[in-house]
Amino acid sequence: GENVEQHPSTLSVQEGDSAVIKCTYSDSASNYFPWYKQELGKRPQLIIDIRSNVGEKKDQRIAVTLNKTAKHFSLHITETQPEDSAVYFCAAKGSNYQLIWGAGTKLIIKP
Amino acid sequence: DTAVSQTPKYLVTQMGNDKSIKCEQNLGHDTMYWYKQDSKKFLKIMFSYNNKELIINETVPNRFSPKSPDKAHLNLHINSLELGDSAVYFCASSQATGAGGELFFGEGSRLTVL
Repeated sequence: GENVEQHPSTLSVQEGDSAVIKCTYSDSASNYFPWYKQELGKRPQLIIDIRSNVGEKKDQRIAVTLNKTAKHFSLHITETQPEDSAVYFCAAKGSNYQLIWGAGTKLIIKP
Repeated sequence: DTAVSQTPKYLVTQMGNDKSIKCEQNLGHDTMYWYKQDSKKFLKIMFSYNNKELIINETVPNRFSPKSPDKAHLNLHINSLELGDSAVYFCASSQATGAGGELFFGEGSRLTVL
């Protein structure tokens, strides 16, 4: 079946440094790639998404890049802050419109 | 105003009992979902309803039965609870089932089975 692999499972970075989380997907017909952030004890919330007709999208300190040929997409967070600490999920929506989720990355920002 | 609300927020019960979790959305969305998040934080889709009709039914035990009385409500009933059912259950809704469609999650219902 379709799947999305997400790496790393845990990422620890110094405050102020950049963080990169990577995902690969198997369904070449996937055309929508959202990223969700889940703070401890809270609900997942959409932070950024990208469609397959775009290679990169930025929103202040966060950006997502998409490489359709290689079937991978990445989340980039620059100038990390303590409030960026959370679990981040990538997902891909394929030809059957089902959202396939990655396993999540726990991002730890060290002061 | 809460967009997606689910009750109860916490549920502690004994093995073998039956329990329900209710979900309501006031966003006017056509599609609602139930997700299960276990202790490892995996988000697993359980069910999806579009305009009160079941469109996704992943491999979950038939002890789990969703019910959608109208498109703003999707309730989850669980029979004969087992220890492995302990998890956080999230309800969610979205406007579209096609390409795109942000998911709006409820606050989650933490179920503990003793």
